[in-house]
Amino acid sequence: TQLLEQSPQFLSIQEGENLTVYCNSSSVFSSLQWYRQEPGEGPVLLVTVVTGGEVKKLKRLTFQFGDARKDSSLHITAAQPGDTGLYLCAGAWESGGSNYKLTFGKGTLLTVNP
Amino acid sequence: DAGITQSPRYKITETGRQVTLMCHQTWSHSYMFWYRQDLGHGLRLIYYSAAADITDKGEVPDGYVVSRSKTENFPLTLESATRSQTSVYFCASEGNTGELFFGEGSRLTVL
Repeated sequence: TQLLEQSPQFLSIQEGENLTVYCNSSSVFSSLQWYRQEPGEGPVLLVTVVTGGEVKKLKRLTFQFGDARKDSSLHITAAQPGDTGLYLCAGAWESGGSNYKLTFGKGTLLTVNP
Repeated sequence: DAGITQSPRYKITETGRQVTLMCHQTWSHSYMFWYRQDLGHGLRLIYYSAAADITDKGEVPDGYVVSRSKTENFPLTLESATRSQTSVYFCASEGNTGELFFGEGSRLTVL
């Protein structure tokens, strides 16, 4: 089974601060997705990255895919309380892995305090 | 309304009882999934289905049964519930671009 590591596991910051969360694997991803999950709800897709070195921006959120496609990061600028939630990365590998292609990391639980 | 719906949202049952969680999607997506979410484990795939009458095991299938007689429905059954199956269960379907659309979850407590 392919492993996908997310860090940090927990993050509590003040409104206005910047932060970065990471998603890493020892294997090469064919694609990687980032989801956000709010309490009591299911995860919702934020972005999909496919190409090594790719950078995508979604308002104050910047997503980067590593050149070797083994890692990804999510950077939030000037965090707001509305950014609070569980951030999940989900990777699809080129070979091997579980029966289905997509595996989720354990997530980063972000709390932004006003 | 279009989307993916799960029922019940909350369920309390006793050890040994059979429980069925329902999932319905209105998009006619081919792929559907059942995940469980637990602290420290994240989202783990239980079963998935590529189409009606086609199902396959995920990472943690033991103790669960699925069926898919119609494209839009994908029920998950716990044949004899155990305390270790206390969890939040999410159903999802896959869109054309590989995006997963999740339901709101079913919180199951097994006493």
